[in-house]
Amino acid sequence: EAGVAQSPRYKIIEKRQSVAFWCNPISGHATLYWYQQILGQGPKLLIQFQNNGVVDDSQLPKDRFSAERLKGVDSTLKIQPAKLEDSAVYLCASSLDRGAGDTQYFGPGTRLTVL
Amino acid sequence: SQKIEQNSEALNIQEGKTATLTCNYTNYSPAYLQWYRQDPGRGPVFLLLIRENEKEKRKERLKVTFDTTLKQSLFHITASQPADSATYLCALEASSASKIIFGSGTRLSIRP
Repeated sequence: EAGVAQSPRYKIIEKRQSVAFWCNPISGHATLYWYQQILGQGPKLLIQFQNNGVVDDSQLPKDRFSAERLKGVDSTLKIQPAKLEDSAVYLCASSLDRGAGDTQYFGPGTRLTVL
Repeated sequence: SQKIEQNSEALNIQEGKTATLTCNYTNYSPAYLQWYRQDPGRGPVFLLLIRENEKEKRKERLKVTFDTTLKQSLFHITASQPADSATYLCALEASSASKIIFGSGTRLSIRP
């Protein structure tokens, strides 16, 4: 089966600019996650969707980050305006259902550099 | 606050030996603990899950132990190979409805 797709793979922008990332989860997976992974750290959950509803966005900086999952399939994550500290890899993951100990399948990530 | 600690230093092991990675946690009561592998430029890949009521789990050359009293998990790779070189992440989950929290990972290098 096809894995989690993300685009673009790399993005370089200047601070205060806007950027958007796209994710297409594995077909049939109800749950979609966006993570931020700063160099040398583990992934940090930004937002979790169950179908097209938000389950957890407690660590999403809502003054500049937004995400949507229209129709409960693919998703976009936007940063507006970007700051230097947003430089990181943004990972999308999906799981079949948010059941106990559900396995997450990760995409390759988008590496964002903010200058 | 909740804290997960993994070996901050890279681990260098001779091929054929057993690699042991540590994951310690504080201020947390996980129901599940997962181990992931991450290669450079790629997303994490799930390896093993162990539940709080399980002491040990095995999969081929991999073995995970989970000690809720010590608040520690050990991840073993037996008969290590250079292809096992990667960063290994542990992740904790308190319940089915809560988010997963990842450690910062341990970089493992297996030299021929």
